[in-house]
Amino acid sequence: GQNIDQPTEMTATEGAIVQINCTYQTSGFNGLFWYQQHAGEAPTFLSYNVLDGLEEKGRFSSFLSRSKGYSYLLLKELQMKDSASYLCAVRADNNAGNMLTFGGGTRLMVKP
Amino acid sequence: DSGVTQTPKHLITATGQRVTLRCSPRSGDLSVYWYQQSLDQGLQFLIQYYNGEERAKGNILERFSAQQFPDLHSELNLSSLELGDSALYFCASSDTRSSVDTQYFGPGTRLTVL
Repeated sequence: GQNIDQPTEMTATEGAIVQINCTYQTSGFNGLFWYQQHAGEAPTFLSYNVLDGLEEKGRFSSFLSRSKGYSYLLLKELQMKDSASYLCAVRADNNAGNMLTFGGGTRLMVKP
Repeated sequence: DSGVTQTPKHLITATGQRVTLRCSPRSGDLSVYWYQQSLDQGLQFLIQYYNGEERAKGNILERFSAQQFPDLHSELNLSSLELGDSALYFCASSDTRSSVDTQYFGPGTRLTVL
């Protein structure tokens, strides 16, 4: 089975940097995804990591360490519109489809 | 806009009833996934279809069933509805032929069971 942990809530200030951590335990690993979800809306894809290291995409970066079962999402130059939930999801390495297992999400509140 | 469409956007029904949720994947995507999101739980994977065939099953109740049609749209059928089935139901699709195989989510159907 899989277990994914991330903090429930975080608060940060507009213009600052925030790091959202995700730890996972899985019987197999075939990629880690980060999604952003505004309340009542669909999750939208942010980033994908399958190899160790940092992936940068504009103001957002995501890091993965497979040996530690650890990832983080880094958001720079925070804007009010970044207030949302951030979901970490792991894809298992098996032949039973490409299902994702999601963590409970981290609700980020950006304050002026 | 992800390119995944879902209908209806909202559904209000009574306990014991049956409903059908519909999803059309992005053009070219062969895989469709269904998820349930309740207030007290995160996104829970229900079931995946690939090119018309069931590929993976998650925590889907026996009262729930799904299918994917030849035109690749999918339907999720929920029967003998209970209050606890009230949730957001998302459909996602992906191009399983790509190595990344990112899932793109539709806008969801909000189901309220009274």
